[in-house]
Amino acid sequence: NAGVTQTPKFRVLKTGQSMTLLCAQDMNHEYMYWYRQDPGMGLRLIHYSVGEGTTAKGEVPDGYNVSRLKKQNFLLGLESAAPSQTSVYFCASRTRPGGQDTQYFGPGTRLTVL
Amino acid sequence: GDSVTQMEGPVTLSEEAFLTINCTYTATGYPSLFWYVQYPGEGLQLLLKATKADDKGSNKGFEATYRKETTSFHLEKGSVQVSDSAVYFCALITNAGNNRKLIWGLGTSLAVNP
Repeated sequence: NAGVTQTPKFRVLKTGQSMTLLCAQDMNHEYMYWYRQDPGMGLRLIHYSVGEGTTAKGEVPDGYNVSRLKKQNFLLGLESAAPSQTSVYFCASRTRPGGQDTQYFGPGTRLTVL
Repeated sequence: GDSVTQMEGPVTLSEEAFLTINCTYTATGYPSLFWYVQYPGEGLQLLLKATKADDKGSNKGFEATYRKETTSFHLEKGSVQVSDSAVYFCALITNAGNNRKLIWGLGTSLAVNP
């Protein structure tokens, strides 16, 4: 099992450009999450999904969109990137409530917006 | 609302020193408690967890005991190694609702010198 994978690992964008970050998991998990990690601010939840075809807003959803068309994939989109979105982005997944509550994380995507 | 408070870092220790990283929480109901570790350049991974009062989680020489009376889950290790240098996150998950999300502390950076 590869676990949780993220592509790309690094990206540099100019202000106003768009991009999509891909998260894939092969553990048949129901729940998937997108976080951003910034110095001194810990992990902040952007969006999450409780199953295929569903998405919900987290703490800091503005400027981001997500889609979960397939159970194993969770995409994070930036339509018009801003310097404030410079961050490290982590995807995570876990089984539905009632099972193990452990979240499994991907290795992260480091995004710089100039 | 639910929250997690960790001691601020960075923490710098010499090899074989004793480690304590404090974590206290506020939550309704009976949360499960976690410690995650993030090694440099990697995603987070579960270090240990406890799901009810007085449980002790342990892994890789680290321990933490779920103390309901003091609402704490302090992380300890008797003799740290250089390879323990990382950022440590305390987190909780509550039983409220079906969309249970992890609530994160801000992380504590640990540097162990040889």
